[in-house]
Amino acid sequence: EAAVTQSPRNKVAVTGGKVTLSCNQTNNHNNMYWYRQDTGHGLRLIHYSYGAGSTEKGDIPDGYKASRPSQENFSLILELATPSQTSVYFCASGDRLGDQNTLYFGAGTRLSVL
Amino acid sequence: SQLAEENLWALSVHEGESVTVNCSYKTSITALQWYRQKSGEGPAQLILIRSNEREKRNGRLRATLDTSSQSSSLSITATRCEDTAVYFCATSPNTDKVVFGTGTRLQVSP
Repeated sequence: EAAVTQSPRNKVAVTGGKVTLSCNQTNNHNNMYWYRQDTGHGLRLIHYSYGAGSTEKGDIPDGYKASRPSQENFSLILELATPSQTSVYFCASGDRLGDQNTLYFGAGTRLSVL
Repeated sequence: SQLAEENLWALSVHEGESVTVNCSYKTSITALQWYRQKSGEGPAQLILIRSNEREKRNGRLRATLDTSSQSSSLSITATRCEDTAVYFCATSPNTDKVVFGTGTRLQVSP
C-alpha cells in the first residue's frame, strides 16, 4: 500500500494556466518535499515543509508555490505554467531520525506544459 | 551548483560483476545517503552512512565514507539485471533539507 500518493500521475497544461500537483502521505512524517527531475540535473529541490502550515524554499523555488494545509497533504502550485516547467515531479515525506531524514517518495507526476 | 555529485553519468556491467559508484560532496555533513531509482518509480533509500562511520553494508551493497576527501562510494557485488537503475547520493546541508546529486545510470546486462 503506497504511503506517498501523488495526483495526477500525468498532466498536460497550457502555457499561462494554473497547475496544482497534490501529494498525500500516510506515514505521519513531519517533513514533506517537492523535487523535479530532469535529464542531466538529477533531483532538484523546489519546496519543503516541516509540518502543517509551514513551507520553505528549496534550491529552485522560482515560479512555484507550495501549500501544507495538514500533516498529510502538500501541494505544489504553478500559478502561470511555462514550457520550462515541463518535467517529472516527485513528492516525498521525511522520516527524521535524530539529525537525519530518510525520504519516502511517491511515484511521480509527469507534467507537460504546451 | 550541486552540493553532492556522482562522478560518472553512466556505467554498464554484465550480471555477476561488481561495480562501484562514486560521489563527492562540498559541505560538511553529518551523514550521506544512497538512493536507487528504478524506471518509472520514485527513489528509494539503500543506505545511510553517518560521518563517524567509514563503512556500512546492506546485503550485496557496501557504502564507504571518507570525510577527509569528502567522498563516498557505493559498491554492488554479484550484480543482477534488477540492479539496473539510477543511483543517487544525497546530503543534508541542514537537518531538514536533503539535496541529491545528478545520479549515475547503471545498466546490468545478462
